Amino acid sequence: AQRVTQPEKLLSVFKGAPVELKCNYSYSGSPELFWYVQYSRQRLQLLLRHISRESIKGFTADLNKGETSFHLKKPFAQEEDSAMYYCALSGQGGSEKLVFGKGMKLTVNP
Amino acid sequence: KAGVTQTPRYLIKTRGQQVTLSCSPISGHRSVSWYQQTPGQGLQFLFEYFSETQRNKGNFPGRFSGRQFSNSRSEMNVSTLELGDSALYLCASSLGGTVAYEQYFGPGTRLTVT
Repeated sequence: AQRVTQPEKLLSVFKGAPVELKCNYSYSGSPELFWYVQYSRQRLQLLLRHISRESIKGFTADLNKGETSFHLKKPFAQEEDSAMYYCALSGQGGSEKLVFGKGMKLTVNP
Repeated sequence: KAGVTQTPRYLIKTRGQQVTLSCSPISGHRSVSWYQQTPGQGLQFLFEYFSETQRNKGNFPGRFSGRQFSNSRSEMNVSTLELGDSALYLCASSLGGTVAYEQYFGPGTRLTVT
């Protein structure tokens, strides 16, 4: 069964502090992993995906198949990073079905 | 390029009624997926349509159904509404195909069942 777990619901940090949003997954194969973000009063949107291996808005995420994790990291948080973050998994073979974690609310205080 | 649009944005229905929600994808996108978002269960996949065919289905009862038209617009229908169907219903479109492309989400339809 496909499952995505985000163990923490809330994270509050001060501006400039490092952040790590945890994501663990369960999938019997090679999944595609994503981080989606929803800023206040905006639509859910893609932040990054593991295949592209790029840094978006200073965020990076590394797929660790041994630990089945895809943690999102940023060395210096900014106030505009405050949002809901969702980790998501898609099966291989072109499946558009996304399995989402429950989400985590990040608050970056000034 | 216009984003994904969903109509209506808000809807209030009574238990036992049925409802139809509409989604217009981004031009050129052939895949449309539907998700239900609730505070308790989070975002749950309902189904996905690609080129007018249902390609994936989530674990929802048969009261939830959908379809896609030749212009890729999609509708989802919920029959015999229950209180627990109150949720935000999100539609997402993508290019579709053999890889999992980025999904672009609409603003959602807020359904309240009384």
